[in-house]
Amino acid sequence: EADIYQTPRYLVIGTGKKITLECSQTMGHDKMYWYQQDPGMELHLIHYSYGVNSTEKGDLSSESTVSRIRTEHFPLTLESARPSHTSQYLCASSDSGRSYEQYFGPGTRLTVT
Amino acid sequence: QKEVEQNSGPLSVPEGAIASLNCTYSDRGSQSFFWYRQYSGKSPELIMFIYSNGDKEDGRFTAQLNKASQYVSLLIRDSQPSDSATYLCAVRKDTGGFKTIFGAGTRLFVKA
Repeated sequence: EADIYQTPRYLVIGTGKKITLECSQTMGHDKMYWYQQDPGMELHLIHYSYGVNSTEKGDLSSESTVSRIRTEHFPLTLESARPSHTSQYLCASSDSGRSYEQYFGPGTRLTVT
Repeated sequence: QKEVEQNSGPLSVPEGAIASLNCTYSDRGSQSFFWYRQYSGKSPELIMFIYSNGDKEDGRFTAQLNKASQYVSLLIRDSQPSDSATYLCAVRKDTGGFKTIFGAGTRLFVKA
């Protein structure tokens, strides 16, 4: 069973606030990902990381930033939240030594008022 | 054209029937193929993966891969109401490193 955690699970915050969504995994996976998904819609990759100190932007333009200082930790930060950021944010990880299957965390549902 | 295409559904099958979910992909160099199940409001969970042509069976699930036709499918035997969910097909491309492209998903509804 995958051990990947996200906090908070739900967040309601006002416009202009800075927020950080946390993601941690205990599997020692080198690759981590952030996806954005609106209800009933497809997943969109917004950031990914090959390993420590390596981050890349995904296919969907995002105003968020990420960091990867430790293998197990991949936080996502929004400097100034806007209502358009309201969505579900999903973190995932994979191990390049296997078949690259991704394991997902439970997600953070963000609402910006 | 999307890189990974799935029929959005909903696909409706009676309990006990076989549900057949299909997916096509555009990159011939794709290496690995995955099926995820996503319940409403939840995160995707991996059902199985396949990377060789042919069939791969795991319990009630069978994944089928045909690289020549760029086609991958998932069969669910003895479908149960608890199988009602959105099924996501995902493909790892040969180019672009380890990025995986997800399809938009097929909604499956199993009627009791």
